[in-house]
Amino acid sequence: NAGVMQNPRHLVRRRGQEARLRCSPMKGHSHVYWYRQLPEEGLKFMVYLQKENIIDESGMPKERFSAEFPKEGPSILRIQQVVRGDSAAYFCASSPRVQETQYFGPGTRLLVL
Amino acid sequence: ELKVEQNPLFLSMQEGKNYTIYCNYSTTSDRLYWYRQDPGKSLESLFVLLSNGAVKQEGRLMASLDTKARLSTLHITAAVHDLSATYFCAVDPGTASKLTFGTGTRLQVTL
Repeated sequence: NAGVMQNPRHLVRRRGQEARLRCSPMKGHSHVYWYRQLPEEGLKFMVYLQKENIIDESGMPKERFSAEFPKEGPSILRIQQVVRGDSAAYFCASSPRVQETQYFGPGTRLLVL
Repeated sequence: ELKVEQNPLFLSMQEGKNYTIYCNYSTTSDRLYWYRQDPGKSLESLFVLLSNGAVKQEGRLMASLDTKARLSTLHITAAVHDLSATYFCAVDPGTASKLTFGTGTRLQVTL
């Protein structure tokens, strides 16, 4: 059973470009979570999704950030018009049911030049 | 707003020694997780503690939960170099499953 998959693993963007981060949950998991980790800090919750629904986006910045988890395909975290402050590691996690252990992917390390 | 604090933030210890990492949280929760992160890597689930008084052990690591004190501990017994990593506790407040992470404890075990 493959774990949570994320791609790309590393992403370099110039200021003003768009970043798209993909996450495929573990097989049988329908709950997906996105977290952001700044250097030397803990993870901060961004958004929680189930198939085709955003359940909780209280950690998402109001502008430039969006997330989706379509019926088919991976979950996507999209950052428009990136700024240097967006440079961070973005982790996706999945769980089979609500309030069960979340399993994390390898992360996407975004660098904005 | 739920706050989760860990201490110490950094811990350097010799092989063979024992030590405890503390995780305090500010609001009621009965579900607490411990994760391990190696540099540049993802998070590995170590323990999930579901109720007051829960204790779990795996190898040289033992985690416990006191929900009344809002405190969890991760005890390291006879540390070995392979345990060097950053350890995070994370609290699920019981609504919508979003985890609030502690600041992390960077453990360095020296030979």
